Amino acid sequence: NAGVTQTPKFRVLKTGQSMTLLCAQDMNHEYMYWYRQDPGMGLRLIHYSVGEGTTAKGEVPDGYNVSRLKKQNFLLGLESAAPSQTSVYFCASSRTTYEQYFGPGTRLTVT
Amino acid sequence: KNEVEQSPQNLTAQEGEFITINCSYSVGISALHWLQQHPGGGIVSLFMLSSGKKKHGRLIATINIQEKHSSLHITASHPRDSAVYICAVVGGGADGLTFGKGTHLIIQP
Repeated sequence: NAGVTQTPKFRVLKTGQSMTLLCAQDMNHEYMYWYRQDPGMGLRLIHYSVGEGTTAKGEVPDGYNVSRLKKQNFLLGLESAAPSQTSVYFCASSRTTYEQYFGPGTRLTVT
Repeated sequence: KNEVEQSPQNLTAQEGEFITINCSYSVGISALHWLQQHPGGGIVSLFMLSSGKKKHGRLIATINIQEKHSSLHITASHPRDSAVYICAVVGGGADGLTFGKGTHLIIQP
Protein backbone atom coordinates (compact mmCIF):
# COMPACT_ATOMS: atom_id res chain seq x y z
CA ASN A 1 0.00 0.00 0.00
CA ALA A 2 1.95 3.03 -1.30
CA GLY A 3 -0.62 5.66 -0.25
CA VAL A 4 -0.28 8.84 -2.32
CA THR A 5 2.65 9.08 -4.73
CA GLN A 6 3.76 11.99 -6.90
CA THR A 7 5.88 12.00 -10.03
CA PRO A 8 8.37 13.62 -10.51
CA LYS A 9 9.94 14.66 -7.20
CA PHE A 10 11.96 17.50 -8.70
CA ARG A 11 11.84 19.36 -12.01
CA VAL A 12 13.42 22.42 -13.57
CA LEU A 13 11.60 24.04 -16.48
CA LYS A 14 12.36 26.97 -18.70
CA THR A 15 9.72 29.68 -19.09
CA GLY A 16 7.16 28.64 -21.68
CA GLN A 17 7.76 24.90 -21.40
CA SER A 18 4.95 22.55 -20.47
CA MET A 19 4.80 19.61 -18.10
CA THR A 20 2.41 17.28 -16.31
CA LEU A 21 2.60 16.27 -12.67
CA LEU A 22 1.12 12.90 -11.81
CA CYS A 23 -0.59 12.03 -8.55
CA ALA A 24 -1.59 8.44 -7.86
CA GLN A 25 -3.39 6.91 -4.87
CA ASP A 26 -4.13 3.29 -4.10
CA MET A 27 -6.68 3.83 -1.32
CA ASN A 28 -9.76 4.01 -3.60
CA HIS A 29 -10.40 7.60 -2.47
CA GLU A 30 -13.03 9.69 -4.22
CA TYR A 31 -11.58 13.12 -3.42
CA MET A 32 -8.27 14.33 -4.78
CA TYR A 33 -6.60 17.73 -4.47
CA TRP A 34 -3.68 19.70 -5.87
CA TYR A 35 -2.03 22.39 -3.71
CA ARG A 36 0.91 24.69 -4.06
CA GLN A 37 3.01 25.72 -1.07
CA ASP A 38 4.98 28.95 -1.13
CA PRO A 39 6.99 30.57 1.67
CA GLY A 40 4.76 32.65 3.91
CA MET A 41 1.61 31.67 1.99
CA GLY A 42 0.69 28.28 3.34
CA LEU A 43 -1.03 25.63 1.26
CA ARG A 44 -3.31 26.98 -1.45
CA LEU A 45 -5.78 24.85 -3.37
CA ILE A 46 -5.29 24.83 -7.15
CA HIS A 47 -7.90 22.32 -8.34
CA TYR A 48 -9.75 19.41 -6.83
CA SER A 49 -11.88 16.46 -7.88
CA VAL A 50 -14.80 14.78 -6.14
CA GLY A 51 -14.70 11.67 -8.30
CA GLU A 52 -13.59 10.11 -11.57
CA GLY A 53 -14.30 12.41 -14.51
CA THR A 54 -14.93 15.51 -12.34
CA THR A 55 -12.75 18.52 -11.63
CA ALA A 56 -13.30 21.92 -10.00
CA LYS A 57 -11.32 25.10 -9.50
CA GLY A 58 -9.79 26.00 -6.20
CA GLU A 59 -8.33 29.24 -4.90
CA VAL A 60 -5.48 29.67 -7.44
CA PRO A 61 -6.39 27.80 -10.67
CA ASP A 62 -4.98 30.21 -13.29
CA GLY A 63 -2.22 28.73 -15.44
CA TYR A 64 -3.05 25.14 -14.50
CA ASN A 65 -5.28 22.42 -15.93
CA VAL A 66 -6.23 19.07 -14.42
CA SER A 67 -7.75 15.78 -15.45
CA ARG A 68 -9.16 12.81 -13.53
CA LEU A 69 -9.70 10.17 -16.21
CA LYS A 70 -9.10 7.31 -13.76
CA LYS A 71 -10.19 7.29 -10.12
CA GLN A 72 -6.68 6.60 -8.86
CA ASN A 73 -4.91 9.33 -10.83
CA PHE A 74 -5.10 13.13 -10.77
CA LEU A 75 -2.94 14.99 -13.28
CA LEU A 76 -1.86 18.63 -13.01
CA GLY A 77 -0.72 20.32 -16.19
CA LEU A 78 1.21 23.50 -16.80
CA GLU A 79 0.76 24.50 -20.46
CA SER A 80 3.24 27.40 -20.50
CA ALA A 81 5.29 27.58 -17.32
CA ALA A 82 6.06 30.95 -15.73
CA PRO A 83 8.55 31.82 -12.97
CA SER A 84 5.57 32.58 -10.70
CA GLN A 85 4.76 28.87 -10.79
CA THR A 86 7.99 28.00 -9.02
CA SER A 87 6.69 26.24 -5.94
CA VAL A 88 6.33 22.97 -4.10
CA TYR A 89 3.25 21.08 -5.29
CA PHE A 90 1.40 18.66 -3.05
CA CYS A 91 -1.29 16.23 -4.00
CA ALA A 92 -3.74 14.83 -1.46
CA SER A 93 -6.58 12.35 -1.46
CA SER A 94 -9.37 11.45 0.92
CA ARG A 95 -12.40 9.25 1.41
CA THR A 96 -14.36 12.08 3.04
CA THR A 97 -13.98 15.87 3.24
CA TYR A 98 -12.86 15.52 6.87
CA GLU A 99 -9.34 14.32 6.23
CA GLN A 100 -6.57 14.30 3.66
CA TYR A 101 -3.56 12.10 2.96
CA PHE A 102 -0.71 13.97 1.36
CA GLY A 103 1.85 12.92 -1.21
CA PRO A 104 5.57 13.67 -0.72
CA GLY A 105 5.53 16.79 -2.91
CA THR A 106 7.11 17.92 -6.18
CA ARG A 107 9.62 20.76 -6.14
CA LEU A 108 9.29 22.74 -9.39
CA THR A 109 11.60 25.53 -10.46
CA VAL A 110 10.80 27.65 -13.52
CA THR A 111 13.72 29.72 -14.82
CA LYS B 1 -14.23 31.80 3.25
CA ASN B 2 -12.77 30.78 6.56
CA GLU B 3 -9.77 32.80 7.65
CA VAL B 4 -7.30 30.69 9.63
CA GLU B 5 -4.66 32.53 11.64
CA GLN B 6 -1.74 30.92 13.42
CA SER B 7 0.60 32.39 15.97
CA PRO B 8 3.46 32.68 16.32
CA GLN B 9 4.77 32.44 12.74
CA ASN B 10 8.24 31.50 13.99
CA LEU B 11 9.31 30.09 17.33
CA THR B 12 12.78 29.16 18.58
CA ALA B 13 13.05 27.46 21.97
CA GLN B 14 15.49 25.43 24.02
CA GLU B 15 15.22 21.69 24.42
CA GLY B 16 12.89 20.81 27.28
CA GLU B 17 10.71 23.88 27.05
CA PHE B 18 6.91 23.77 26.93
CA ILE B 19 5.68 24.93 23.52
CA THR B 20 2.29 26.40 22.61
CA ILE B 21 1.09 27.16 19.08
CA ASN B 22 -2.24 28.86 18.57
CA CYS B 23 -4.84 28.74 15.81
CA SER B 24 -7.97 30.84 15.40
CA TYR B 25 -10.56 30.75 12.65
CA SER B 26 -13.38 33.02 11.60
CA VAL B 27 -16.26 30.69 10.67
CA GLY B 28 -17.72 27.69 12.48
CA ILE B 29 -16.21 24.36 11.51
CA SER B 30 -16.85 20.62 11.67
CA ALA B 31 -13.36 19.69 12.81
CA LEU B 32 -9.77 20.91 12.94
CA HIS B 33 -6.47 19.24 12.06
CA TRP B 34 -2.99 19.83 13.32
CA LEU B 35 -0.44 18.81 10.69
CA GLN B 36 3.35 18.44 10.87
CA GLN B 37 5.83 19.03 8.08
CA HIS B 38 9.54 18.30 8.55
CA PRO B 39 12.05 20.25 6.41
CA GLY B 40 11.95 18.92 2.87
CA GLY B 41 9.40 16.37 3.95
CA GLY B 42 5.81 15.45 3.49
CA ILE B 43 2.80 16.51 5.52
CA VAL B 44 1.26 14.25 8.14
CA SER B 45 -1.78 14.69 10.34
CA LEU B 46 -1.06 14.70 14.08
CA PHE B 47 -4.60 15.19 15.32
CA MET B 48 -8.13 15.70 14.13
CA LEU B 49 -10.46 17.08 16.77
CA SER B 50 -13.93 18.53 16.93
CA SER B 51 -14.19 19.16 20.68
CA GLY B 52 -12.22 19.03 23.90
CA LYS B 53 -8.70 17.70 24.01
CA LYS B 54 -6.54 14.94 22.53
CA LYS B 55 -3.14 13.68 23.68
CA HIS B 56 -0.54 11.64 21.83
CA GLY B 57 2.75 11.18 23.62
CA ARG B 58 4.18 14.63 24.34
CA LEU B 59 1.69 16.38 22.08
CA ILE B 60 -1.62 17.79 23.31
CA ALA B 61 -4.24 19.52 21.18
CA THR B 62 -7.22 21.44 22.50
CA ILE B 63 -10.12 23.15 20.81
CA ASN B 64 -12.75 25.63 21.98
CA ILE B 65 -15.50 25.62 19.40
CA GLN B 66 -17.37 28.59 20.91
CA GLU B 67 -14.25 30.76 20.88
CA LYS B 68 -13.11 29.43 17.47
CA HIS B 69 -9.66 28.66 18.83
CA SER B 70 -7.32 25.70 19.09
CA SER B 71 -3.91 25.19 20.64
CA LEU B 72 -1.16 22.64 20.10
CA HIS B 73 1.14 22.04 23.06
CA ILE B 74 4.43 20.17 23.09
CA THR B 75 5.78 19.12 26.48
CA ALA B 76 9.50 18.45 27.10
CA SER B 77 10.36 19.65 23.59
CA HIS B 78 13.16 17.92 21.68
CA PRO B 79 15.19 18.93 18.60
CA ARG B 80 13.34 16.28 16.58
CA ASP B 81 10.15 18.32 17.15
CA SER B 82 11.62 21.00 14.87
CA ALA B 83 9.17 21.29 11.99
CA VAL B 84 6.41 23.42 10.54
CA TYR B 85 3.09 22.92 12.32
CA ILE B 86 -0.01 23.69 10.28
CA CYS B 87 -3.56 24.20 11.48
CA ALA B 88 -6.30 23.22 9.01
CA VAL B 89 -10.06 23.49 9.43
CA VAL B 90 -12.83 21.38 7.96
CA GLY B 91 -15.65 23.48 6.56
CA GLY B 92 -17.62 20.57 5.18
CA GLY B 93 -17.45 21.62 1.55
CA ALA B 94 -16.07 19.45 -1.24
CA ASP B 95 -12.98 21.63 -1.44
CA GLY B 96 -11.78 20.08 1.80
CA LEU B 97 -9.50 21.84 4.25
CA THR B 98 -8.57 25.51 4.75
CA PHE B 99 -5.04 25.93 6.01
CA GLY B 100 -3.20 28.37 8.22
CA LYS B 101 0.20 29.61 7.05
CA GLY B 102 2.06 27.44 9.53
CA THR B 103 4.33 27.93 12.53
CA HIS B 104 8.02 27.26 11.97
CA LEU B 105 9.36 25.70 15.19
CA ILE B 106 13.05 25.23 15.96
CA ILE B 107 14.13 23.44 19.13
CA GLN B 108 17.77 24.03 19.96
CA PRO B 109 19.76 21.44 21.96
